[in-house]
Amino acid sequence: QSVLTQPPSASGTPGQRVTISCSGSRSNIGTNYVYWYQQLPGTAPKLLIYRTNQRPSGVPDRFSGSKSGTSVSLAISGLRSEDEADYHCATWDDSLRGWVFGGGTKLTVL
Amino acid sequence: QLQLQESGPGLVKPSETLSLTCTVSGGSMSGGTYYWGWIRQTPGKGLEWIGSISYSGSTHYNPSLKSRVTLSQDTSKNQFSLKVTSVTAADTALYYCARHDAAALGTSPFDHWGQGTLVTVSS
Repeated sequence: QSVLTQPPSASGTPGQRVTISCSGSRSNIGTNYVYWYQQLPGTAPKLLIYRTNQRPSGVPDRFSGSKSGTSVSLAISGLRSEDEADYHCATWDDSLRGWVFGGGTKLTVL
Repeated sequence: QLQLQESGPGLVKPSETLSLTCTVSGGSMSGGTYYWGWIRQTPGKGLEWIGSISYSGSTHYNPSLKSRVTLSQDTSKNQFSLKVTSVTAADTALYYCARHDAAALGTSPFDHWGQGTLVTVSS
């Protein structure tokens, strides 16, 4: 059971906008930055969003992050086949004094 | 370009100790103020942070694993290591080593990852 809660799956068709949610609590998402990782099949996770809504260089602006209270969302617009991957949210938990992750969401592009 | 590579036995017997090493190339561990960490991944539980070690050698562990985990580093070899004692089938996972992108543990995400190594606990 992961500390952060994500839906196990999401899907969309090419060109659509898809959002993936991640919910937590005051001690983690409610207080700290959230990070999103993209994990393509058979590869290690790659940092996709940092500090809740910032993109590392090289990440397309089709990817965006937002936060409301103790939940965050990752939005992917103009969905492409190469976006098919697992997406993981992560943050620091002040109570646990450690990094916590969501269970991951498998995005399928139909 | 910074690269990380995990190495160690792929099969460990129950109750024994799991030992993995991460070798850093393309940069010096002692050349910056970074944290270095271990994360594991299982199909059922997703990603799980195991612990991290700072450039100065201070360690931070996941409370759920703290009693069985030890991190260490050998900066002369550009390596850091993980030991997990008294392993069970629940420790079977894909183990990643990674670098935090700065010196503040709680606000520094993992920006460079190894490719991962599968460790199976079985007799």
